[in-house]
Amino acid sequence: QKEVEQNSGPLSVPEGAIASLNCTYSDRGSQSFFWYRQYSGKSPELIMSIYSNGDKEDGRFTAQLNKASQYVSLLIRDSQPSDSATYLCAVFRAGTYKYIFGTGTRLKVLA
Amino acid sequence: SQTIHQWPATLVQPVGSPLSLECTVEGTSNPNLYWYRQAAGRGLQLLFYSVGIGQISSEVPQNLSASRPQDRQFILSSKKLLLSDSGFYLCAWRKAGTDSGNTIYFGEGSWLTVV
Repeated sequence: QKEVEQNSGPLSVPEGAIASLNCTYSDRGSQSFFWYRQYSGKSPELIMSIYSNGDKEDGRFTAQLNKASQYVSLLIRDSQPSDSATYLCAVFRAGTYKYIFGTGTRLKVLA
Repeated sequence: SQTIHQWPATLVQPVGSPLSLECTVEGTSNPNLYWYRQAAGRGLQLLFYSVGIGQISSEVPQNLSASRPQDRQFILSSKKLLLSDSGFYLCAWRKAGTDSGNTIYFGEGSWLTVV
């Protein structure tokens, strides 16, 4: 079992729709969770971080965390073609210096 | 504000040649520093991290090495490159400590093609 798992996609959604990206992790001691967006050929850029169970909203983005289910998700409302990218889920391992990344989900927003 | 730079941005190297990628961070002191590799269509693989000058932790046994000669400088090296070393190399930093709230930030990346 991978430490951080994501569906590789591609996930295709029409412009204006909600895109839902999911991530599961195996280490119950994980404390903080991050979503990064990576455009083709570029380095990852931080979208959101979340540390507590529940929802966290920032503009069109909402991160959801459920530690009991070891599940974190990212919702993108009013999806735009410019949101087309690979979305990486990352987990910070408690008591270490390590960030473990999933393989990413490729999102395509169709105009 | 803090910035991170890495270079070169792109390089093509023959098999068996040496490698040196350099990364520097500005605007902070004693950062935690990281090297990740991303092979084509793959996720980010943690290669090395450092919590201080001269302190290097290796995550994957391979023909790569890392050094931290100065507080905000992190270097990735190889004496003899393999074809499998091709990929996108990313340097990253975070504020010092194991505080789970610290975010990791990436440099622009270096594309390495071994031929």
